[in-house]
Amino acid sequence: EFVLAQSPGTLSLSPGERATLSCRASQSLTSNYLAWYQQKPGQAPRLLIYAASSRATGIPDRFSGSGSGTDFTLTISRLDPEDFAVYFCQHYGSSPYTFGQGTKLEI
Amino acid sequence: QLQLQESGSGLVKPSQTLSLTCSVSGGSISSGGYSWSWIRQTPGKGLEWIGYIYHSGSTSFNPSLKSRVSMSIDGSKNQFSLNLTSVTAADTAVYFCARWGGYWGIDYWGQGTLITVSS
Repeated sequence: EFVLAQSPGTLSLSPGERATLSCRASQSLTSNYLAWYQQKPGQAPRLLIYAASSRATGIPDRFSGSGSGTDFTLTISRLDPEDFAVYFCQHYGSSPYTFGQGTKLEI
Repeated sequence: QLQLQESGSGLVKPSQTLSLTCSVSGGSISSGGYSWSWIRQTPGKGLEWIGYIYHSGSTSFNPSLKSRVSMSIDGSKNQFSLNLTSVTAADTAVYFCARWGGYWGIDYWGQGTLITVSS
């Protein structure tokens, strides 16, 4: 089973700053089947990035994903106040499909 | 715009069966290329994939839950369902239904429903 470790657990930044979130897999992900989701309190997760680097429909271009193998990164180039939330990574190359524990992005 | 809505009993007694239904609107559940999924979330364990079902009825389940999980799909009602047997307090969670576009990730989610296992 793939274990995804996200870091940092909490990231404190200000609007306008750049955020870099990390997701490290316990084994190399073939085919880069890695997604990123944003979740706000009381809401369902929202797909941001799929296949490690492809933006989902309607996602602003300030969100970008990169990485391969075991190390993946979500970058938010200029933080908007609405970006403060919890972010999860998920691998979906093979069952069981697991999620990271999340990074809380706070002001 | 596709919308998903979970429904079911919010309180289940230990050892009983948790049953949830996801109603899909704004699109057909029989569309090819998608699986229809259940995911749960707890403060302690985070997000956990439970399983998914295709419109054909084929399924895939998380091995950790496989012995207790079943799913079904009803194209005529545009619904799919989850049954989880022999529940314990550890099954208390917010349960989400979702559409999974394979390579394209989980692109539509229901709002989630809190299920509490308690006597």
